[in-house]
Amino acid sequence: GQQVMQIPQYQHVQEGEDFTTYCNSSTTLSNIQWYKQRPGGHPVFLIQLVKSGEVKKQKRLTFQFGEAKKNSSLHITATQTTDVGTYFCAGPGAGNMLTFGGGTRLMVKP
Amino acid sequence: EAGVTQFPSHSVIEKGQTVTLRCDPISGHDNLYWYRRVMGKEIKFLLHFVKESKQDESGMPNNRFLAERTGGTYSTLKVQPAELEDSGVYFCASSQLPTISAGELFFGEGSRLTVL
Repeated sequence: GQQVMQIPQYQHVQEGEDFTTYCNSSTTLSNIQWYKQRPGGHPVFLIQLVKSGEVKKQKRLTFQFGEAKKNSSLHITATQTTDVGTYFCAGPGAGNMLTFGGGTRLMVKP
Repeated sequence: EAGVTQFPSHSVIEKGQTVTLRCDPISGHDNLYWYRRVMGKEIKFLLHFVKESKQDESGMPNNRFLAERTGGTYSTLKVQPAELEDSGVYFCASSQLPTISAGELFFGEGSRLTVL
């Protein structure tokens, strides 16, 4: 079945440093979605990428969808303590559901 | 507008007992999903309702899990009898859009289940 992998699993950064998480799918995706889960919270939708090679920005966050539509990345510039949480990528699976990656847990030292 | 609400927020039960989790989706959302996150791992799909019908229950772990959505409004997920490996956070999510490729899911706060 479809697998969505994310690396790294954990990342500690100093506040102000950059952070990147990578997502790889075993199959070509029609779209990829990114979610953020704050500690003790629930996943919150961030963005959806649809086009091959697409790049979208949300303030300090930059999302990319690979040319082959099998991988994606999320880059945060100059991290802040408010960026702490787990970032999940997710792609459409068989049927009408999302397959989530394992998530990357970001910890920011002030 | 109220978001997706789940109850209880945390449940601690003994192995062999029964627990019922409840989810109230956003009003008007026909699509309701149950997901589970175990031990800080990935969020795994359990099942999908469209209104009161089970569209896809391929993610349900075994027959100890029973989900219902009578009347197409709120949904319940019953675990009977609970086992240690059932511990985790159970998320409910709803969507107004007919396909998951068309937009985002709105998640509830989750129900944390601890089986001792």
